[in-house]
Amino acid sequence: QAVLTQPASLSASPGASASLTCTLRSGINVGTYWIYWYQQKPGSPPHYLLGYKSDSDKHQGSGVPSRFSGSKDASANAGILLISGLQSEDEADYYCLIWHSNAWVFGGGTKLTVL
Amino acid sequence: EVQLVESGGGLVQPGGSLRLSCAASGFTFSSYEMMWVRQAPGKGLEWISHIRISGSTMFYADSVKGRFTISRDNAKNSLYLQMDSLRDEDTAVYYCAREYKVGCFDPWGQGTLVTVSS
Repeated sequence: QAVLTQPASLSASPGASASLTCTLRSGINVGTYWIYWYQQKPGSPPHYLLGYKSDSDKHQGSGVPSRFSGSKDASANAGILLISGLQSEDEADYYCLIWHSNAWVFGGGTKLTVL
Repeated sequence: EVQLVESGGGLVQPGGSLRLSCAASGFTFSSYEMMWVRQAPGKGLEWISHIRISGSTMFYADSVKGRFTISRDNAKNSLYLQMDSLRDEDTAVYYCAREYKVGCFDPWGQGTLVTVSS
C-alpha cells in the first residue's frame, strides 16, 4: 500500500470549490505530519502552494491566492487541499508531499479538470 | 532572479552512467538544502535524493540507492547527481529544487530529460 494515496482525477465547475484529498497509509498518523501541496501544469515544473500541519501551523506559498487552503480530516487520516472559487487556470495536476522515514514522499497526484 | 538550471541529460544505454548538474544563481546556494525529483513520461513526481547544506548528509529513494550519488559544490553554486547502472525505468525528466523552508521547494529548474534505451 502506498504511503500517500490521491484520487487520480477530479472534476468541478468554475466558481465552485474542489476538495483534493491525500490519504496517509494506515499506521501513519496524519496529525503528526506537515502536508505540503504542489501544483503542476503541463510542460512546467511543480509550483509550491502551501504547507499545513494545523490551523496554527501552516504556510502559504509566495503569491499563492488565499482561495487555496489546507486542512486535515483526522477521521479519514487525510490531508486536504481546498480550492474555492475555481478558475480555469486551476486546471492542473496536484501533488501532496510529506517527509516520512528519512525520505520525501509524493502522492500519485490528482488531475483537476475545471469544466 | 532566483534560478536553477539543470544540464547533462541525454540518451544513454542501459548499464551506462550520466552526471546531471544543477547551476544555481540569484541566491546564496550554500545556505539551502537541495533535492532531485524525477518524472517519467506521463507519470507523477518521484523524489530521488536530498542533500543537506554541508553536503555531508544525503538521503535517497530506495529505487536509486546504491546507484545514484548526490553531491554539491557550494563554491561553484552547483548541485550534482551521478547516475550509474542506469535502467530503462530511470527514463524521466529530472528536476532540481531548492528547499527554502522545510517542505517548501522553490524554485525548481526546468528539468533535463534522461532517456535510457538501447
